Amino acid sequence: QQQVKQSPQSLIVQKGGIPIINCAYENTAFDYFPWYQQFPGKGPALLIAIRPDVSEKKEGRFTISFNKSAKQFSLHIMDSQPGDSATYFCAASVGGFKTIFGAGTRLFVKA
Amino acid sequence: GAGVSQSPSNKVTEKGKDVELRCDPISGHTALYWYRQSLGQGLEFLIYFQGNSAPDKSGLPSDRFSAERTGGSVSTLTIQRTQQEDSAVYLCASSLLAGSTDTQYFGPGTRLTVL
Repeated sequence: QQQVKQSPQSLIVQKGGIPIINCAYENTAFDYFPWYQQFPGKGPALLIAIRPDVSEKKEGRFTISFNKSAKQFSLHIMDSQPGDSATYFCAASVGGFKTIFGAGTRLFVKA
Repeated sequence: GAGVSQSPSNKVTEKGKDVELRCDPISGHTALYWYRQSLGQGLEFLIYFQGNSAPDKSGLPSDRFSAERTGGSVSTLTIQRTQQEDSAVYLCASSLLAGSTDTQYFGPGTRLTVL
């Protein structure tokens, strides 16, 4: 019940494409859903986050869609660029305490 | 300003030895978190501190793992009698407050290899 399931494991898109990464959870007590971006050799960095009372949030080219009834949320990257090539993690927590991470998606954007 | 720093960046040890990993959080951050990232895997929560206390130790995988934080700043993660399955990148993060969804800022990690 504490798991966050993330898919796909890896994703290759052309420059300008819109990669979509999906996550699902079981614990309805989760109330904070951040996405992290990680480049090789670096720690993860917060990209964007959403609370379950909002169905969509946009920050620049990054959009989170949230479906509370389905217990699913997804990350869309508009007009993807080669510099977006990284590993992306979805996560969930209750009040920002213990954060449960998905397994990660390795994104490669072809030039 | 300075971010979260961790030392050493790499540690190679022999099975059965003890290791200490250090984390220096961002100045003024009261919350500190430890995670473990195995090769190609997501992050596994280990423990978090609010000030010097650790309200949640549920993520520590065994009693060989312990962590402390002194002076509300530096934290040390200790692994006793290391095993090969302990090989991973150990990440530390800090945030202004715990439990408030404040952004967690991650350090670069310590890559531990147990031979």
